[in-house]
Amino acid sequence: GAVVSQHPSWVICKSGTSVKIECRSLDFQATTMFWYRQFPKQSLMLMATSNEGSKATYEQGVEKDKFLINHASLTLSTLTVTSAHPEDSSFYICSASIPATGVDYGYTFGSGTRLTVV
Amino acid sequence: GEDVEQSLFLSVREGDSSVINCTYTDSSSTYLYWYKQEPGAGLQLLTYIFSNMDMKQDQRLTVLLNKKDKHLSLRIADTQTGDSAIYFCADHRENTDKLIFGTGTRLQVFP
Repeated sequence: GAVVSQHPSWVICKSGTSVKIECRSLDFQATTMFWYRQFPKQSLMLMATSNEGSKATYEQGVEKDKFLINHASLTLSTLTVTSAHPEDSSFYICSASIPATGVDYGYTFGSGTRLTVV
Repeated sequence: GEDVEQSLFLSVREGDSSVINCTYTDSSSTYLYWYKQEPGAGLQLLTYIFSNMDMKQDQRLTVLLNKKDKHLSLRIADTQTGDSAIYFCADHRENTDKLIFGTGTRLQVFP
C-alpha cells in the first residue's frame, strides 16, 4: 500500500521549453506532497511542500516562478519546470505523507524523474 | 542535508555486518528514518524509529538511537551484494512535515 507513481521516468527537452512532472498517489489520499531535487552523488534537497487546494510552500532559494507546483486533487501533484535551462538538469523526486492509519509510517517516494535539458 | 551528516562511503565483504552512521543537530526531531536508494531510482523506506526509542530491530536491520549524542546508526547483518546502494538517514522535525535528509552513504559490498 501507499504507492506514489511518478511520470515520466526520464525526459530530455530543449532549452527554453517547459516540462511537467506528475506525481500520483495510487491507493491513498495525499494531502501533502513534497518535491525534491537531487544532484548526482548528492543528497535530496527539499524544493517545496504542496498541500491539496492551496499554494505550495517553497524552500528558501527555490524560484517559485520557475518551478510551478500544482496540487489540485488529493491524488495528483505536478511540478512544471518552466523555461528550462541546462542547469535545471537533475533528478526530481516527489514524496507524499503516508496517512497515519497506513501500515507504514512516514513518507512514500516516487521513482524519480531524470530531467536533461539540452 | 547540512544538518544531518553521514560518512560518504562504506565498503564491506559479503556476509559481514555493515554499520552506517548518522548525526543530526535538531533536538526537536520526532522520527528518524533510513532509506535505501538504488541507482536511478527513488527511495525505499527501510525502517524508522521514534525519538523516544533506543533501538529497533527488523530482520537483518538494527537501528540504534543515542538521543543525547544525536547519533543514529543502521546495522545490516549478513550484508549481501543486493544491499549495495546509497543509504540516507532522514530527520523529521517536530511541528513541521518536512524530512531533512542526510548526505547519504554509499555502501559497496564485495564478494
